[in-house]
Amino acid sequence: EIVLTQTPATLSLSPGERATLSCRASQNVANSLAWYQHKYGQAPRLLIYDSSIRATGIPTRFSGSGSGTDYTLTISSLEPEDFAVYYCQHRRNWPLTFGGGTKVEI
Amino acid sequence: EVQLLESGGNLVQPGGSLRLSCTASGFTFSDYAMAWVRQAPGKGLEWISAISGSGINTFYAGSVHGRVTTSRDNSNNVLYLQLRGLRGEDTAVYFCARKIAYPVGAYYFDSWGQGTLVSVSS
Repeated sequence: EIVLTQTPATLSLSPGERATLSCRASQNVANSLAWYQHKYGQAPRLLIYDSSIRATGIPTRFSGSGSGTDYTLTISSLEPEDFAVYYCQHRRNWPLTFGGGTKVEI
Repeated sequence: EVQLLESGGNLVQPGGSLRLSCTASGFTFSDYAMAWVRQAPGKGLEWISAISGSGINTFYAGSVHGRVTTSRDNSNNVLYLQLRGLRGEDTAVYFCARKIAYPVGAYYFDSWGQGTLVSVSS
């Protein structure tokens, strides 16, 4: 099973600042990685898939990068609605797994 | 508009069983693989199962393998999750999710329901 480790666990930032979230895989996932945003009481939202492709309707301030075992989600300028928990997920093989999440808080 | 509506969550005793449902609308259900993902209180997301559009292929996480069965009724646009031998650690909100259309083999999830709560306690 591929283990995804997200750092930091919590990121304290202000609106307008840049957020950089990390996801490290226990083995090469070959760009087969997605990022989701999740707010309490709501459905998770797919942001990025295959490491760097924005999902439909996702603002350009969200970008993904990385390769091999190390991946990054960047939010270029935080909007008030971006404060949430972010998860990475791989699809390299079965079982699928999610990272533990990074909470982006004000 | 794509909609996924889970139901069937309840309070159940340890060792008990439960069947969750996810009713889909707004898209051609049989064209999409589907999945179940859960979130225990205070924890992150955990993928637990997936099923192909035809229902022929199913996949399970090790933590639930042998205790859950995923199935689907493409005639009525419903996804199911049968849970057996429930334990306290199965307490969670259970989400159903739709796999993205493309890339074909890419199990990422672009639409999710709001979830249904399963509580396991005596």
